[in-house]
Amino acid sequence: AQKITQTQPGMFVQEKEAVTLDCTYDTSDQSYGLFWYKQPSSGEMIFLIYQGSYDEQNATEGRYSLNFQKARKSANLVISASQLGDSAMYFCAMREGSGNTGKLIFGQGTTLQVKP
Amino acid sequence: KAGVTQTPRYLIKTRGQQVTLSCSPISGHRSVSWYQQTPGQGLQFLFEYFSETQRNKGNFPGRFSGRQFSNSRSEMNVSTLELGDSALYLCASSLKAPGVYGYTFGSGTRLTVV
Repeated sequence: AQKITQTQPGMFVQEKEAVTLDCTYDTSDQSYGLFWYKQPSSGEMIFLIYQGSYDEQNATEGRYSLNFQKARKSANLVISASQLGDSAMYFCAMREGSGNTGKLIFGQGTTLQVKP
Repeated sequence: KAGVTQTPRYLIKTRGQQVTLSCSPISGHRSVSWYQQTPGQGLQFLFEYFSETQRNKGNFPGRFSGRQFSNSRSEMNVSTLELGDSALYLCASSLKAPGVYGYTFGSGTRLTVV
């Protein structure tokens, strides 16, 4: 069965430092997509970054990068130069298949707190 | 452009009642999905609609239903509410499917069943 595992319920990071949020996944599909979302206390899910299973390069979006290790089935999110506004819940999610489905499977999330 | 709009933002209902939640996707988006978020179960997929057709359904009882209109707006309905239905219900839209941009989510409707 498809599964996303985030083993860090909570993380602390000092402002301006980098932090890595862990995500491992399990799927038997060869084609899949991996996403990271940020959920502030307001509740809205904000898309951060995407990695396709066939992408050879690690995805980057500004201060966000995804450390994709396909053989280990891991897709860790790296946030560089943390800011106070980064304090939120972070979810790793997977879409199976080539993209003709809207079903995303989410991990349990990691709460990140950035300290001034 | 306007984002995904969910109404109402907050709702309190009594056990046994029914409720209808509304979602207006981003203009031009034809795919709408619904998710339930609870502290215990996390984020769970409810169903997905594309061009007024249900394309995918999660593992929820038949009390949970949805529909999509010709303008892509979607509603979900929960009948015979139970205390366990208290949750944040999130709607998300995309042009066709998540693709590389994922879904754009709304701010959710927080439902409390008392």
